[in-house]
Amino acid sequence: DAGVIQSPRHEVTEMGQEVTLRCKPISGHDYLFWYRQTMMRGLELLIYFNNNVPIDDSGMPEDRFSAKMPNASFSTLKIQPSEPRDSAVYFCASRRQGVGGYTFGSGTRLTVV
Amino acid sequence: GNSVTQMEGPVTLSEEAFLTINCTYTATGYPSLFWYVQYPGEGLQLLLKATKADDKGSNKGFEATYRKETTSFHLEKGSVQVSDSAVYFCALRGWRNRDDKIIFGKGTRLHILP
Repeated sequence: DAGVIQSPRHEVTEMGQEVTLRCKPISGHDYLFWYRQTMMRGLELLIYFNNNVPIDDSGMPEDRFSAKMPNASFSTLKIQPSEPRDSAVYFCASRRQGVGGYTFGSGTRLTVV
Repeated sequence: GNSVTQMEGPVTLSEEAFLTINCTYTATGYPSLFWYVQYPGEGLQLLLKATKADDKGSNKGFEATYRKETTSFHLEKGSVQVSDSAVYFCALRGWRNRDDKIIFGKGTRLHILP
């Protein structure tokens, strides 16, 4: 099992540019979560999907952020336009229905200059 | 709402010392409890879990017991190694059918000195 795969690992972009982060969950997992991690705020849940349907997006900071899951094997998190305060590590995680925990990807470190 | 409180770090210990990282939670019913570990530059990894009261989760020498009477899930290890240096997160998931998301504590950074 390849685990949860995120790309890119690192992204440096200029303020105002569009950024797209990608995630491939583990095959057979029906939940997918997007988290943001910063020193100041810790781990924040942005949005999660169940069977490709967004269930809770209350953590999405503002309209500049959007997430999609067009199929069971792919999700994107888009920031448009990006701002320096969006700099963080963004994690994707997935899990199967049941009492287990998540499997996290290695994260995308985003730097907006 | 559900919440997790864990001791603030950093925690610095010498190799072979005994480790305790405290974690308490607030939740209704019988949440599932987890400890995750994050090594530098990596994502979080599930370390251990417990799904009902008095359960003990264990892995790699780490243990934690689900104590409903004290709403606690403290992480312990009898003899730490330099390789245990990482950030440790206590977490819970609610027990209702719609409680799909995991709530994480703020993390405790652990430094082990050789």
